[in-house]
Amino acid sequence: GAVVSQHPSWVICKSGTSVKIECRSLDFQATTMFWYRQFPKQSLMLMATSNEGSKATYEQGVEKDKFLINHASLTLSTLTVTSAHPEDSSFYICSARGGQGTLYQETQYFGPGTRLLVL
Amino acid sequence: QQQVKQSPQSLIVQKGGISIINCAYENTAFDYFPWYQQFPGKGPALLIAIRPDVSEKKEGRFTISFNKSAKQFSLHIMDSQPGDSATYFCAASMRSGNEKLTFGTGTRLTIIP
Repeated sequence: GAVVSQHPSWVICKSGTSVKIECRSLDFQATTMFWYRQFPKQSLMLMATSNEGSKATYEQGVEKDKFLINHASLTLSTLTVTSAHPEDSSFYICSARGGQGTLYQETQYFGPGTRLLVL
Repeated sequence: QQQVKQSPQSLIVQKGGISIINCAYENTAFDYFPWYQQFPGKGPALLIAIRPDVSEKKEGRFTISFNKSAKQFSLHIMDSQPGDSATYFCAASMRSGNEKLTFGTGTRLTIIP
């Protein structure tokens, strides 16, 4: 149980284009989803928290207009990197947590990550 | 206040030995302490977690020791194996509030034959 998938697993794009990354909870309903960014040999940096049907809450320093997050259903959240630039190249990881009273409420379950390379 | 300090940054242990990674926190409102294991190019996977009402939790070769008064917790990996070579992150969160995970800086563990 508690499987989270991400698609695509890696993507290469040209500077100035937009890239969409999907995060899905496969066997549970994710009330809350989180998006992280991780640089090589560093810890995870939380970018934003999203609750199903609500606007995402962004961490300080994260540009809302650049990193668009949509959590339209209890099993799907998307992160769109708009007008991507080489400095946006990174490893993007999502996580999901179930609602209160559910088996998966206690912790975050992570996806496998998406490696983005902007040329 | 929100930091979780993790040490060591890297650790080399001989196969069969005990690997020990330590974390310390400051925010006494934290009440959930998970450990995650991450292999290169993969997302973190939950390894084991503890709440402050117990001082130790064991799952197979993995044990968390928790010292509430010292605000410290540690991961012990018994009989360490080459397959345990990975980066380990401790984390902390509050059950109330927005329940964000605050991560430690990570420990790169290498198990040598």
